[in-house]
Amino acid sequence: ILNVEQSPQSLHVQEGDSTNFTCSFPSSNFYALHWYRWETAKSPEALFVMTLNGDEKKKGRISATLNTKEGYSYLYIKGSQPEDSATYLCALVAGGTSYGKLTFGQGTILTVHP
Amino acid sequence: NAGVMQNPRHLVRRRGQEARLRCSPMKGHSHVYWYRQLPEEGLKFMVYLQKENIIDESGMPKERFSAEFPKEGPSILRIQQVVRGDSAAYFCASSPNPPPETQYFGPGTRLLVL
Repeated sequence: ILNVEQSPQSLHVQEGDSTNFTCSFPSSNFYALHWYRWETAKSPEALFVMTLNGDEKKKGRISATLNTKEGYSYLYIKGSQPEDSATYLCALVAGGTSYGKLTFGQGTILTVHP
Repeated sequence: NAGVMQNPRHLVRRRGQEARLRCSPMKGHSHVYWYRQLPEEGLKFMVYLQKENIIDESGMPKERFSAEFPKEGPSILRIQQVVRGDSAAYFCASSPNPPPETQYFGPGTRLLVL
């Protein structure tokens, strides 16, 4: 059973703060890592797919890094806005599978206060 | 390009009835994935289908659950003889290419078994 851990479980920040959170996963058998943003009552929104050690991806004020050797990925949000409030999920794709199976972490719930 | 569509959005069934959940992928997407979110739990993979083929059903319960993605029409997740423990949110995702391509999620179907 793959264990994908996210920390912290929840986070409260003020508007304008920069923040980051962590996704940890088994480094053996890594194939890819997905990041999603999920607002209440909406569909999970894809942010990034990362495959290579040292990958850095950016989308607006959100960026992510990947370390497959030590088994973690960081998601950064620069200058948080209230509309960034959501649950941020990471999901692992393991090698030796169909590669269609995403194993999700429990998520980090971000609340940005005006 | 319309997103992934799921219907119904809410479904109420009595124990022992059948539930049919439909998923129309985004236009041009031939890969479909189903996930389940039980109360107080994260998203869990159920099955990955490509047109007319089941590629990976490693997350499907062995009994009462089946999935199909016919040549024409939506993908269907079928639950026979539902029990209270089947109450959950069922999400479908699609991708245009084989994984580990980004999976685009639908809004989900909330199933309540009375």
